[in-house]
Amino acid sequence: EVQLVESGGGLVQPGGSLRLSCAASGFTFSDHWMHWVRQVPGKGLLWVSRIHRDGSNTASADSVRGRFTISRDNAQNTLYLEMKNLRVEDTAVYFCAREGVRARERFFDLWGRGTLVTVSS
Amino acid sequence: DIVMTQSPESLAVSLGERATINCKSSQSLLFDSNDENYLAWYQQKPGHPPKLLIYWASTRESGVPDRFSGSGSGTDFTLTISSLQAEDVAVYYCQQYNSPPYTFGQGTKLEIK
Repeated sequence: EVQLVESGGGLVQPGGSLRLSCAASGFTFSDHWMHWVRQVPGKGLLWVSRIHRDGSNTASADSVRGRFTISRDNAQNTLYLEMKNLRVEDTAVYFCAREGVRARERFFDLWGRGTLVTVSS
Repeated sequence: DIVMTQSPESLAVSLGERATINCKSSQSLLFDSNDENYLAWYQQKPGHPPKLLIYWASTRESGVPDRFSGSGSGTDFTLTISSLQAEDVAVYYCQQYNSPPYTFGQGTKLEIK
């Protein structure tokens, strides 16, 4: 089955760290750019970060740059998001998402179900 | 950053009637590189992740019912559901995907009247 499954969310104190994982299956993971998108419960979608197929190129939203690091392990078919110096406003459901496989197909054609990160004292 | 603005914020439509959602971008999403509009539409039902409906502004994703259609070019886009079904109750988002940050509209909540 083609799917993405996130894990690693939970409750963390402000200033703390967390690492999210996204396990891919059913498709050739290394063929796709990958992304993290977050959503405060009941609110809209916010793009967080993206990574090239081979991990050589990354980009992040201003709100997380310098605190969050996206990476991937193509041998393990896994995407990661290392989050440091977490803030209350980082509380959200974090989704991983797959880009289309063809050049310029930067829309997100597959999403995981998300993992909830709660930053609170 | 490209700002995406959707209207209306919420919409109530009777079953079988047409639903129309608008999306406006602060910059043109039509690029010469491939003469396409870098605009996608997603559907999100409660408790579920977003689902891709439309890309390149008007191309329907495989498996999406043909009552869903996308139109528009440049800075103004529309998602139309030709005959609303009960299972279409959801929040709909537009997104520009030309370059990061890949910004989304604020969402339009679609309900049954």
